[in-house]
Amino acid sequence: KQEVTQIPAALSVPEGENLVLNCSFTDSAIYNLQWFRQDPGKGLTSLLLIQSSQREQTSGRLNASLDKSSGRSTLYIAASQPGDSATYLCAVSVYGGSQGNLIFGKGTKLSVKP
Amino acid sequence: KAGVTQTPRYLIKTRGQQVTLSCSPISGHRSVSWYQQTPGQGLQFLFEYFSETQRNKGNFPGRFSGRQFSNSRSEMNVSTLELGDSALYLCASSPDPGYEQYFGPGTRLTVT
Repeated sequence: KQEVTQIPAALSVPEGENLVLNCSFTDSAIYNLQWFRQDPGKGLTSLLLIQSSQREQTSGRLNASLDKSSGRSTLYIAASQPGDSATYLCAVSVYGGSQGNLIFGKGTKLSVKP
Repeated sequence: KAGVTQTPRYLIKTRGQQVTLSCSPISGHRSVSWYQQTPGQGLQFLFEYFSETQRNKGNFPGRFSGRQFSNSRSEMNVSTLELGDSALYLCASSPDPGYEQYFGPGTRLTVT
């Protein structure tokens, strides 16, 4: 059974710092991996999607990497800003089932202090 | 393009009642998935629909059901509501299964 873990559960950093959020999964047979952010009481905003054949994806100050063999993904945020404060979730979809079934981690709650 | 829309945004129901939630996907998207989010369990997959067919269902009791219409809009139903059904219900759409999923704002259901 696929399980997704995100460490740490919470992180507080000063504005301007570069940071890394971690995501690990137990079964390397993933179809893709997606990173989201969620603001309090809101829906999820898709940040990056990495297909299983890719190693990384970049969007602005965000860079996500994928290492299927070790079951790990990282989300790198450069020059953090207070507006980056949110909960960050990673999710994987797996082969052998419905690719529309995302399995989520519990998230990392990020706080960027001015 | 308009994003995923969900109605209603907030709902208060009493135990034993039933509820219907609606989701309109992004135009052109044919796949719709539903998720339940609670503080204790996090985000859990409910079901996925594609071309009016349920492709997969998560580990939820039969009280949870759904359907998809020919225009890709989807509804989910919860019958005989329990206190534990209080949650944020999120709908996501994608062009096809396995593509990037885009989420709606959710429906906050409170069962009293």
